[in-house]
Amino acid sequence: QSVLTQPPSVSAAPGQKVTISCSGSSSNIANNYVSWYRHLPGTAPKLLIYDNNKRPSGIPDRFSGSKSGASATLGITGLQTGDEADYYCGAWDSSLSVWFFGGGTKLTVL
Amino acid sequence: EVQLVESGGGLVQPGGSLRLSCAASGFTFSNYWLSWVRQAPGKGLEWLANIKGDGSTKYYVDSVKGRFTISRDNAENSLYLQMNSLRAEDTALYYCARATYWFFDLWGRGTLVTVSS
Repeated sequence: QSVLTQPPSVSAAPGQKVTISCSGSSSNIANNYVSWYRHLPGTAPKLLIYDNNKRPSGIPDRFSGSKSGASATLGITGLQTGDEADYYCGAWDSSLSVWFFGGGTKLTVL
Repeated sequence: EVQLVESGGGLVQPGGSLRLSCAASGFTFSNYWLSWVRQAPGKGLEWLANIKGDGSTKYYVDSVKGRFTISRDNAENSLYLQMNSLRAEDTALYYCARATYWFFDLWGRGTLVTVSS
């Protein structure tokens, strides 16, 4: 069980919007930056969002991030079948001096 | 090309040791914190350890503290993970990742470690 809690799975139809939540605590999300990663097992994870809501170069604006208190959210609009992957949030925990990933959310585009 | 390439994985018996390597290229290696992250079969990503650019500061997750040691050679642009007292639950794909402030912006493709008799 991860310190950062994500739903195990989400699904939506092509073209629709989906949100993935990430819930933590005052020692991690509430007081540190959150990042989001897309991962297909066996391949290199890819950074999607950093510093809560910033997109690296090359990441389309269909992907967005937000944070409120000890929770963060990844939003994906205009869903495509190619978006199917596992998505992870991550944050440093200042109390434990440990980096945590959420448990991961499997996105299915129906 | 900016990249990280892991190596050193393989099959090892329980209680055995293994040393993973991560070769970096295309960026100023000593400027960055680096981490090891793993994914066990059917599980999520698990951060294991990180090391500051000059090697002076290291952090570990409790599950590997005392068994795994992270180190780096800035002259060789290489990151290492010495893994001792390996257990079946250490079976995983091990990634190295470059940390830029509070996120990981560059990842390798991983090296597979299997702990089994």
